Amino acid sequence: QKEVEQDPGPLSVPEGAIVSLNCTYSNSAFQYFMWYRQYSRKGPELLMYTYSSGNKEDGRFTAQVDKSSKYISLFIRDSQPSDSATYLCAMSVGGGSYIPTFGRGTSLIVHP
Amino acid sequence: GAVVSQHPSRVICKSGTSVKIECRSLDFQATTMFWYRQFPKQSLMLMATSNEGSKATYEQGVEKDKFLINHASLTLSTLTVTSAHPEDSSFYICSAPRSGELFFGEGSRLTVL
Repeated sequence: QKEVEQDPGPLSVPEGAIVSLNCTYSNSAFQYFMWYRQYSRKGPELLMYTYSSGNKEDGRFTAQVDKSSKYISLFIRDSQPSDSATYLCAMSVGGGSYIPTFGRGTSLIVHP
Repeated sequence: GAVVSQHPSRVICKSGTSVKIECRSLDFQATTMFWYRQFPKQSLMLMATSNEGSKATYEQGVEKDKFLINHASLTLSTLTVTSAHPEDSSFYICSAPRSGELFFGEGSRLTVL
């Protein structure tokens, strides 16, 4: 079993839809949870960063962490074609100069 | 703007040659940088941790003699793929931590013919 599991998709949705992206993990020592967005042929960029269980909202994006279930989610409201990208979850055991473990990424396609 | 710069973005080389990829932190010092490899539709796989002034730390299964890493200064790390073969063709990405956040370069697409 991989430490971080993420469905690669692709996930195709119409513009304006609510998107739900998810990851599960097995290492209970993970404390920091991140979502990265990666456009084709580019490096990943950090979208959301959470430490504890619960929800964190930033504009159209909401990150949710359920440590008891070892399950994290990223919700995108009012999805736009420009949201089309690969979304990678990542998690680590400590902050500072940490080395996160990445999921394989979910490819999202938002069509007009 | 970008905080980590990676060069070149694309490189095509012949089998048996060596290729150098540079990773620079912009406007901050990075004593540690990370090198990743990514195959299509696959996750980022950590290859090695580059340490300024000391030897790099390689992940299990990564050949240190094939993937030479040099962290020559606090803002520059280089990855040299030696005697490249077609199976080395991949997307290589570097990253550097700053203030608890990991910033990535734009990536380098290597194609070995």
